[in-house]
Amino acid sequence: GAVVSQHPSRVICKSGTSVKIECRSLDFQATTMFWYRQFPKKSLMLMATSNEGSKATYEQGVEKDKFLINHASLTLSTLTVTSAHPEDSSFYICSARGSSGRKNEQFFGPGTRLTVL
Amino acid sequence: AQSVTQLDSHVSVSEGTPVLLRCNYSSSYSPSLFWYVQHPNKGLQLLLKYTSAATLVKGINGFEAEFKKSETSFHLTKPSAHMSDAAEYFCVVSEGQAGTALIFGKGTTLSVSS
Repeated sequence: GAVVSQHPSRVICKSGTSVKIECRSLDFQATTMFWYRQFPKKSLMLMATSNEGSKATYEQGVEKDKFLINHASLTLSTLTVTSAHPEDSSFYICSARGSSGRKNEQFFGPGTRLTVL
Repeated sequence: AQSVTQLDSHVSVSEGTPVLLRCNYSSSYSPSLFWYVQHPNKGLQLLLKYTSAATLVKGINGFEAEFKKSETSFHLTKPSAHMSDAAEYFCVVSEGQAGTALIFGKGTTLSVSS
């Protein structure tokens, strides 16, 4: 149980295009989902926290108009990188926290590698 | 504000020898502490967690960690390394209720040689 998936696992796009990454909790309802960014050989950096049905809370320095987060249901959150540029190339990881049972745990998706040409 | 410091960016051991990955934390309140492992091209996997219960925490794959409040440490150990343990390890802190936003250390790369 407690599986989180991400789609796509890898995406390559041209500069200026937008890319949407999906994060799904497959076997539990996630009231809260988190989006992280990981640079090569670096730690994970929290980008934003999203609660189902409300606006995401962005960490300082993260552009909310560039990284659009939608958490429309208890099993799905999306991150859209708008007008992507090469500096947005990174490994994006989501995590989900359940609403009952193991509610105090975060479960991580496998990550999405974005390459912007 | 809470933070974690992983004292070694890279640790190399021989197969069958003990593993020690060091972590110190800073927290204003009673922290929840975690160790996660990340294998290449794989998702993060929880090894173990401390949430104010027993100070010696046993995790998966033979790993354990001891919470020492006086030293503000949460070092990860394993008696005998296996080749499959080679990966990136992250010490993580969360204040108050576990499951709130996690603060990651910079990671320690564990290499295991035969």
